[in-house]
Amino acid sequence: GESVGLHLPTLSVQEGDNSIINCAYSNSASDYFIWYKQESGKGPQFIIDIRSNMDKRQGQRVTVLLNKTVKHLSLQIAATQPGDSAVYFCAETRGVSYGKLTFGQGTILTVHP
Amino acid sequence: GAGVSQTPSNKVTEKGKYVELRCDPISGHTALYWYRQSLGQGPEFLIYFQGTGAADDSGLPNDRFFAVRPEGSVSTLKIQRTERGDSAVYLCASSLSGSTDTQYFGPGTRLTVL
Repeated sequence: GESVGLHLPTLSVQEGDNSIINCAYSNSASDYFIWYKQESGKGPQFIIDIRSNMDKRQGQRVTVLLNKTVKHLSLQIAATQPGDSAVYFCAETRGVSYGKLTFGQGTILTVHP
Repeated sequence: GAGVSQTPSNKVTEKGKYVELRCDPISGHTALYWYRQSLGQGPEFLIYFQGTGAADDSGLPNDRFFAVRPEGSVSTLKIQRTERGDSAVYLCASSLSGSTDTQYFGPGTRLTVL
């Protein structure tokens, strides 16, 4: 079946470092991708999105890269802060039903002061 | 409140019982979504509403699960004859309209079926 992401990985970084979180998706028909951040006990929080007609998009301290050739998505966080510690999920959807997001299993990011 | 709210925050029930989970979307949002999240997993889509109608219910796992949004605002997710495997966090989200508008999530309802 369709899937986004792999087994739940972890990433530990020092405060001030840059972080890169990766995600693989399997459905080549996907045309819209989103990164969410989820803190313990809370719902997912939107970070940044990108459409399939783009390969890079920047926000505040975050950049999303999309490589459609290998069906890979990454989230780069600059100058990572302890408040960035959370689980990060990529999600994908496509025009047939944009409201239906398919999430990956997530990456646990831990930022050490 | 300004965000999506869900009640109750926690629900413990016994196998075979009926439960209702409530979602209050952000005021003015016409689209509403339900997801289910098991421990260590990403959210899994259940259903989404555009106004009062279900635009996509392909994620409902079986006919024990049903959701309504009779006035296009508050939604209720109903689960009949609960099973232990239904234990999860049930997340609700809303967006201004449908399509690719950002989905804003509530804190979820943690359902435990004993």
